[in-house]
Amino acid sequence: EPEVTQTPSHQVTQMGQEVILRCVPISNHLYFYWYRQILGQKVEFLVSFYNNEISEKSEIFDDQFSVERPDGSNFTLKIRSTKLEDSAMYFCASKQGDSPLHFGNGTRLTVT
Amino acid sequence: GEDVEQSLFLSVREGDSSVINCTYTDSSSTYLYWYKQEPGAGLQLLTYIFSNMDMKQDQRLTVLLNKKDKHLSLRIADTQTGDSAIYFCAESRGTGRRALTFGSGTRLQVQP
Repeated sequence: EPEVTQTPSHQVTQMGQEVILRCVPISNHLYFYWYRQILGQKVEFLVSFYNNEISEKSEIFDDQFSVERPDGSNFTLKIRSTKLEDSAMYFCASKQGDSPLHFGNGTRLTVT
Repeated sequence: GEDVEQSLFLSVREGDSSVINCTYTDSSSTYLYWYKQEPGAGLQLLTYIFSNMDMKQDQRLTVLLNKKDKHLSLRIADTQTGDSAIYFCAESRGTGRRALTFGSGTRLQVQP
């Protein structure tokens, strides 16, 4: 069964550094998402992406965050200058229209 | 109040049935989902139900949906120690930020 893949599984970075989290959504899916889960907390919506542009974003998704679909397969989340509070599990997800959302296994980001 | 609410913790004995409950607020939800998350791992889609159904059974899992009361439950028959995890209820109302709204998760502890 096709799946959403995310790399790396764990990223450690220093405060102030830029990070790029990578995702390969399921190939025929049209809607792409990033979610975040701070340890022990709820899974929170960050951003949705459709037709090569952001369709919606949450209040968490400030100017430090950006997303890109640089080619036909990858979907990336960039955090420009990481803060300690950005430490979390970041999940990529995709769907095709009115279908269930499929999640990747997540990237654990640790900011030191 | 929260869009999706769940109790935080449930403890059962191995072999018993577990019932995890969830309430949601919006009657326009299209799909309702149950995800499982083991420690340090990603989000595994267990099952989902379309809002015009009231029951779905899949092996040991039974989902009941009461649209009038906006109540969703997940019953796990013959609960095993491997079922110990956090179970997230989620509801979907579209493709943007409402693609998925999660509850806070119910931690299921299965005692041998």
